[in-house]
Amino acid sequence: GAGVSQSPRYKVTKRGQDVALRCDPISGHVSLYWYRQALGQGPEFLTYFNYEAQQDKSGLPNDRFSAERPEGSISTLTIQRTEQRDSAMYRCASSLVPSGRNTYEQYFGPGTRLTVT
Amino acid sequence: DAKTTQPPSMDCAEGRAANLPCNHSTISGNEYVYWYRQIHSQGPQYIIHGLKNNETNEMASLIITEDRKSSTLILPHATLRDTAVYYCIVRVSGGYQKVTFGTGTKLQVIP
Repeated sequence: GAGVSQSPRYKVTKRGQDVALRCDPISGHVSLYWYRQALGQGPEFLTYFNYEAQQDKSGLPNDRFSAERPEGSISTLTIQRTEQRDSAMYRCASSLVPSGRNTYEQYFGPGTRLTVT
Repeated sequence: DAKTTQPPSMDCAEGRAANLPCNHSTISGNEYVYWYRQIHSQGPQYIIHGLKNNETNEMASLIITEDRKSSTLILPHATLRDTAVYYCIVRVSGGYQKVTFGTGTKLQVIP
């Protein structure tokens, strides 16, 4: 079946512009996660959702970053007034919570490469 | 979540077993050990997880010491396609929690 998809795959924007990054999780997956990954580093947690509720946003760097998942499916990560230091790969992941199991593997999307010039 | 320590890099000859160590000396009783890998620029891929018993699946084996303070991921017959960064993570299992990745171990499989 279809995996996690993200769009756009590449985004180049000028400093000061706002950007919106989209994540389409695997159908039926309850949880959705956003990560940021710098070159040579592991993914850095930003925020996650259960259904439409944002459960933890402790990883968002500052108030220029926000995320929403209004209908419990597609999610958008928005960065306002972008800065060069925001340049990174932004990854989305989703996970299913099957009953009777306690494993919650996260399935990652291909990422959006954001470059702020 | 408990912190983990992994060597930054390892080499392994193709066809040989790759043994990737991970220290997690501050692991709590309800925390599981998870392994993910990331091949080149792709997203991380789940490999295996365990609590205290050794685990095996089609991809790898996970050996957890009796005191649970360290573990080893074993790829029994490494191939060139196993070249990747391998992340060891400890976390409470129970769904709705963030996962904290470290810098992992860069495994290079050599022909």
